[in-house]
Amino acid sequence: NAGVTQTPKFQVLKTGQSMTLQCAQDMNHEYMSWYRQDPGMGLRLIHYSVGAGITDQGEVPNGYNVSRSTTEDFPLRLLSAAPSQTSVYFCASKKGGSNQPQHFGDGTRLSIL
Amino acid sequence: AQTVTQSQPEMSVQEAETVTLSCTYDTSESDYYLFWYKQPPSRQMILVIRQEAYKQQNATENRFSVNFQKAAKSFSLKISDSQLGDAAMYFCAYRRALSGGSNYKLTFGKGTLLTVNP
Repeated sequence: NAGVTQTPKFQVLKTGQSMTLQCAQDMNHEYMSWYRQDPGMGLRLIHYSVGAGITDQGEVPNGYNVSRSTTEDFPLRLLSAAPSQTSVYFCASKKGGSNQPQHFGDGTRLSIL
Repeated sequence: AQTVTQSQPEMSVQEAETVTLSCTYDTSESDYYLFWYKQPPSRQMILVIRQEAYKQQNATENRFSVNFQKAAKSFSLKISDSQLGDAAMYFCAYRRALSGGSNYKLTFGKGTLLTVNP
């Protein structure tokens, strides 16, 4: 099973560039989400989706856009990258139901110069 | 809002010894889930153990066990017979027990970096 696949694993951008981080899952999970991890902090929720066509903001949504056109894919877009968005980004998916576990991708390390 | 606090930024343990990582949380909910995640240098987020708040019995997974004190809002992780492969960042996390998208958010502590000395 592929699980949750994130691409790319590493990326360096210049300030003002745009970028899409890809996330795909093959488990038919309804719920998908994006977190960012900064040094000395735990993961913080950026955006989430409960199904195709439905997205909502998390704790730190500013500067990021998401869409969910299919159940499998949940891309995260940075329209105009800023140095403050340098971070490690994790995508996670979960089957509906309160007792189902979250499955994390391996993360994308993004540096904004 | 829920908060999760890990007061030990770093811990170390000798191989084969036992170590306990601390976690406290704040919530007004009566039912919820608590988790410990392990993040090795490979960056993967690996679920170590999970506790459901309505269960009084402490969760155990092989060498990993928790001490869940609901009234004190404390959730510590005990690692017995520590191995070199246990070296990692450990995160404590909270989630509400209700179904529905906004309830699936995980709230993380800042992490504890565990070093295992041979």
